[in-house]
Parts: sequence; C-alpha cells; structure tokens
Amino acid sequence: EAGVTQFPSHSVIEKGQTVTLRCDPISGHDNLYWYRRVMGKEIKFLLHFVKESKQDESGMPNNRFLAERTGGTYSTLKVQPAELEDSGVYFCASSQRTSGGGGTDTQYFGPGTRLTVL
Amino acid sequence: AQSVSQHNHHVILSEAASLELGCNYSYGGTVNLFWYVQYPGQHLQLLLKYFSGDPLVKGIKGFEAEFIKSKFSFNLRKPSVQWSDTAEYFCAVSPGYSSASKIIFGSGTRLSIRP
Repeated sequence: EAGVTQFPSHSVIEKGQTVTLRCDPISGHDNLYWYRRVMGKEIKFLLHFVKESKQDESGMPNNRFLAERTGGTYSTLKVQPAELEDSGVYFCASSQRTSGGGGTDTQYFGPGTRLTVL
Repeated sequence: AQSVSQHNHHVILSEAASLELGCNYSYGGTVNLFWYVQYPGQHLQLLLKYFSGDPLVKGIKGFEAEFIKSKFSFNLRKPSVQWSDTAEYFCAVSPGYSSASKIIFGSGTRLSIRP
C-alpha cells in the first residue's frame, strides 16, 4: 500500500511569489491534515479535511494560505503571496474514518515539503 | 489552550544506556496521547499511543510510555538504546472527544546515540 506522498519535496521561491504544495493521502482515507514546522519549533496544525469539506481550519495563519481538496482525494495548499516567515516544512497526514469504539485514528504522515522563501 | 512541553531539546546517550524522555501536556479534558519518531531522512511515524485503559503503553522497537494523569505526563522510556534509535522524538496530544482531530505536538527531542 502506498503511503502519503507530497510534491514537491523542496521548493525555493522569492518573497511575493506563489507556491502550491500537493498531498496525496493513502487511498480510502477520508481525513486529511496539513501541518507546518518552522525551523526549530513545534509541528503546528494548519487544517483538517473530511473528504472535500474543511472540518477545522483554525490553524491557518492568514488568508494568504488556501487549501483545497476537490473530489475528496488529493489536496493542495497554496501560499500567495509568500512571505519570509512562511519558510518551513509542510507535512500532510491522512487517516481512515473509523466507525467509533474509542480512541483516535492513527495519522500517517508524508515526507513533507521543505519550503524556503528568500 | 492545549500545549505539549518536552523537557529536553537534545539528549546524547551511549549504546545500552537507558532512556527517558519527559513530556507534559496541558489540557483539561480527555486526551489521546502519542509519541511519534522521525528517523533521519524518513517520515514521521507513530511509536505508540494511549487513549484509555492500562496507562503503561508498549510501542514498537521496545519503547514504552506511562500516562500519569495526576501529573499530566506521558514520558517515553526504553531500557537499552541502540545506535539505530538516533532520531527526533515528538510527544503529542489530541482531544479525546473525537476520533479524528488535530494533533498538538511538542517541540521535539533530538536523540543522538554514540556507538
């Protein structure tokens, strides 16, 4: 079974440019999450999709960030225009929707996209 | 607000030494607790998780963690580390009211093992 994949693995752009990151979750996983790690700090939640719907977008830093998940499969995260403080590693994770029974779904993480804004 | 605090930024041990990484969380309700690990060049992967039952949780590769509710702690332990345990370790928490919700991570502890 293929894991979570992310593209590109690295991106270097200049301040003011636009970048689009892509995440392909594990097939059949309804839940898709985006996280970000700024250098030296903790991994922070950005948002959560259930299928194509945004379940929780409380972690999105500002309106320069736009996430979509059309059709409930892959997701994109666009940063427009990029600022210096957007540099970091962007992780995507996915989990299956469980039928209950307690506990929480295991989130499977992708390798991350390292974004550098110059 | 929920938060997770990991006590050590960088831990250096010799092979066969015992390991304990501290983790405290701040959250008033029921929680799910995790330890994730990121080996060099690899994805974040789940080491172990706790959501209910026995507070001593066993994970992969000989790791275990103990949930102490009164101390809001979830420390990670391994009796004898190996060089291959060199990695970054993240303690994390999510609210227990939902099976699918965001994870709050600590800042990570880098573990270096001297061969």
